Amino acid sequence: DAGVIQSPRHEVTEMGQEVTLRCKPISGHDYLFWYRQTMMRGLELLIYFNNNVPIDDSGMPEDRFSAKMPNASFSTLKIQPSEPRDSAVYFCASSLGVREETQYFGPGTRLLVL
Amino acid sequence: RKEVEQDPGPFNVPEGATVAFNCTYSNSASQSFFWYRQDCRKEPKLLMSVYSSGNEDGRFTAQLNRASQYISLLIRDSKLSDSATYLCVVNTNAGKSTFGDGTTLTVKP
Repeated sequence: DAGVIQSPRHEVTEMGQEVTLRCKPISGHDYLFWYRQTMMRGLELLIYFNNNVPIDDSGMPEDRFSAKMPNASFSTLKIQPSEPRDSAVYFCASSLGVREETQYFGPGTRLLVL
Repeated sequence: RKEVEQDPGPFNVPEGATVAFNCTYSNSASQSFFWYRQDCRKEPKLLMSVYSSGNEDGRFTAQLNRASQYISLLIRDSKLSDSATYLCVVNTNAGKSTFGDGTTLTVKP
């Protein structure tokens, strides 16, 4: 298996622009997670899905952030409009289950908002 | 107070040393526990799960103390390749994962 795939790997954009991050989970995994990592705040869970349904989005910072999972093999995280404080590494992860199961992380998207 | 707290380090140790990391969590409803490893500019990867009875994987030993809400990771005979950031992870029954900020380890020749 190719593992969790994320695109783009790097994104540089200007404040106010829309940013879309993409994720393909490992085939057969029922759970998908979006995380954000910064030096100041560490690794934060933004939202997670079970069978394409959002279960907990309490970590989504504000209305500028939205996430979708239209099918079992694809998810997007959108920021509109982007702000410099959104600059971070965004990781997508997937797992078979949730409590005891290993989460497999993608390589991340490094986002810089100027 | 953060839900999961770790000593950020850095820990700088010579090869062959034994080093221990600690992690405390505040949610008594937490159900499962893990240690992840993250190399510089890479994604986190599972190092080991932490079981109530304690578990060992080669040079690595993990312990859980539910009464004190405390998790530990012991690395024996440390290698240069062990240099990384070690993340403590706590899951609730509802599936929410909370990561600690990580402890940075540098093993020097």
